[in-house]
Amino acid sequence: SQELEQSPQSLIVQEGKNLTINCTSSKTLYGLYWYKQKYGEGLIFLMMLQKGGEEKSHEKITAKLDEKKQQSSLHITASQPSHAGIYLCGADRLSGSARQLTFGSGTQLTVLP
Amino acid sequence: DTEVTQTPKHLVMGMTNKKSLKCEQHMGHRAMYWYKQKAKKPPELMFVYSYEKLSINESVPSRFSPECPNSSLLNLHLHALQPEDSALYLCASSPWGVSQPQHFGDGTRLSIL
Repeated sequence: SQELEQSPQSLIVQEGKNLTINCTSSKTLYGLYWYKQKYGEGLIFLMMLQKGGEEKSHEKITAKLDEKKQQSSLHITASQPSHAGIYLCGADRLSGSARQLTFGSGTQLTVLP
Repeated sequence: DTEVTQTPKHLVMGMTNKKSLKCEQHMGHRAMYWYKQKAKKPPELMFVYSYEKLSINESVPSRFSPECPNSSLLNLHLHALQPEDSALYLCASSPWGVSQPQHFGDGTRLSIL
């Protein structure tokens, strides 16, 4: 089964600082997703990466998938309190004709004002 | 605002009660999912429906009974639950096919007394 390891487990940064969250897979990634979750709420889709070397950005968040497609990183530039939450990476796992999504353990981000 | 609507937001029930969780989406997605999320853990897949047919059951106990009456609705019927079933239950939907992001509802917070 696909195993995703995220690091760090938690991160506390001062507002305005940059930060990076990593997601490492034990298998080749065919679809890698980043989600954000506020405590007790649903997951908000951030970005999807499919191709090795692919990089996508939205506002101050950039996600990359390395060439070998076994690691992804999420970088936040000039963090703000609104960036606080739990960041989850997820990977596609095919099971027969159905798709499944398995998640990393998550990274809890706190941004201090 | 989420495009996947879950009701109720909170539910408290006794172990002998029967209740149902509801999920609705109007994005034309033909795949729908139920996840269970315990505190400080990532979501775990329970069921996958594709074109209103059950595709995946991740060895979920029979006290959880899913139902997909049409392409927009997904229900989760609950009966004789245990205290360890207390969790956040998340519904998601996606277009059918490989590498399509899933869109999540805000979840139902379930507490079993």
